[in-house]
Amino acid sequence: KAGVTQTPRYLIKTRGQQVTLSCSPISGHRSVSWYQQTPGQGLQFLFEYFSETQRNKGNFPGRFSGRQFSNSRSEMNVSTLELGDSALYLCASSSIAGGIADTQYFGPGTRLTVL
Amino acid sequence: LAKTTQPISMDSYEGQEVNITCSHNNIATNDYITWYQQFPSQGPRFIIQGYKTKVTNEVASLFIPADRKSSTLSLPRVSLSDTAVYYCLVALLNNNDMRFGAGTRLTVKP
Repeated sequence: KAGVTQTPRYLIKTRGQQVTLSCSPISGHRSVSWYQQTPGQGLQFLFEYFSETQRNKGNFPGRFSGRQFSNSRSEMNVSTLELGDSALYLCASSSIAGGIADTQYFGPGTRLTVL
Repeated sequence: LAKTTQPISMDSYEGQEVNITCSHNNIATNDYITWYQQFPSQGPRFIIQGYKTKVTNEVASLFIPADRKSSTLSLPRVSLSDTAVYYCLVALLNNNDMRFGAGTRLTVKP
């Protein structure tokens, strides 16, 4: 079974721009969660989607948004980028709803650099 | 809100048992604790999960005392390839929130 895939792997943007990251979960998995990882703040939960609905949300500003498609693929969007948004963005999928209590399988991440 | 705390780093030698403790106050009886391993340039990888007493799988054990204020990941007979960062995650089911620890960098020496 193929693992979680994320595209692109690396991205460079400038302040004020917006960015869209993509995640394809493991086949059959319906829950997709997004995380931000930085050296200073560590791993922080952004949000979780299940069946095209956002079920859980972390403590991030509204500039961070996401969506999930009918095939369970998910996208994450960050608008009006700030320097502090530079991070590794990780996507994880799990097979059942309530992914926070289920085993999550992480992708390799998208490294976003904001200049 | 629950705060998840781990040691920043640990050193060990090949063949030793390593125990990494995560402190997490104010968690409910049904909140899950999960441990992940992360190598450079990779996403975290699931190691073990539990919510009470003891859980064991083929790679690790997880001990959760009755007061649930901490949990311990036990890695038996570590090897050089176990050098990685280990994260403790508490899933707060009532709050639908997840709290990662800052990670423990384990270095296994020959």
